Amino acid sequence: DSGVTQTPKHLITATGQRVTLRCSPRSGDLSVYWYQQSLDQGLQFLIQYYNGEERAKGNILERFSAQQFPDLHSELNLSSLELGDSALYFCASSGGGEVAKNIQYFGAGTRLSVL
Amino acid sequence: AQKVTQAQTEISVVEKEDVTLDCVYETRDTTYYLFWYKQPPSGELVFLIRRNSFDEQNEISGRYSWNFQKSTSSFNFTITASQVVDSAVYFCALSEGTGGSYIPTFGRGTSLIVHP
Repeated sequence: DSGVTQTPKHLITATGQRVTLRCSPRSGDLSVYWYQQSLDQGLQFLIQYYNGEERAKGNILERFSAQQFPDLHSELNLSSLELGDSALYFCASSGGGEVAKNIQYFGAGTRLSVL
Repeated sequence: AQKVTQAQTEISVVEKEDVTLDCVYETRDTTYYLFWYKQPPSGELVFLIRRNSFDEQNEISGRYSWNFQKSTSSFNFTITASQVVDSAVYFCALSEGTGGSYIPTFGRGTSLIVHP
């Protein structure tokens, strides 16, 4: 068990809808990262938050947004969903802000199916 | 820009065979970190090892060993006497320490299937 908790485990929704994925980092970790894993794109970094502030942005669509709350949990909001958004979404946490050597600990993921 | 290549998409072996998973990376940074993660069928990504660019010592952990060679920009992972429980997708990743992106770039992964 990595100590990173993601909910829900599975999500089935329709095109055009909006969903929220939730992540609780390991105790004490200030950084949260979101990744999307799909068969054709592999594991893609979306966004990082550090202690409540956005720190790095990757290939995140404008329809997607995230935030990190004062208790350090994070939410990833996906809106106007399309079939191509179906994927496994991972949250990871680490102790540091932008130190490259930080080990990221991953949650079990949320599998999103857009029908 | 940093890049990680795992040329082997899928490897199939029979239990007790040794298997090596290849990882080749590209970076212009002199300080960088390499990682291996395991993704079993259950889906979660499990951290296995981290190696920094200044430490070329090979590492062994039980049946797992890692060979880091800067001369060939490779960080290969060997499983000795493979077991069915080793069946998983294995990812190699690279993050740059200075001047580049500290966010790790992951390879596409190698699916290892160990048959009983």
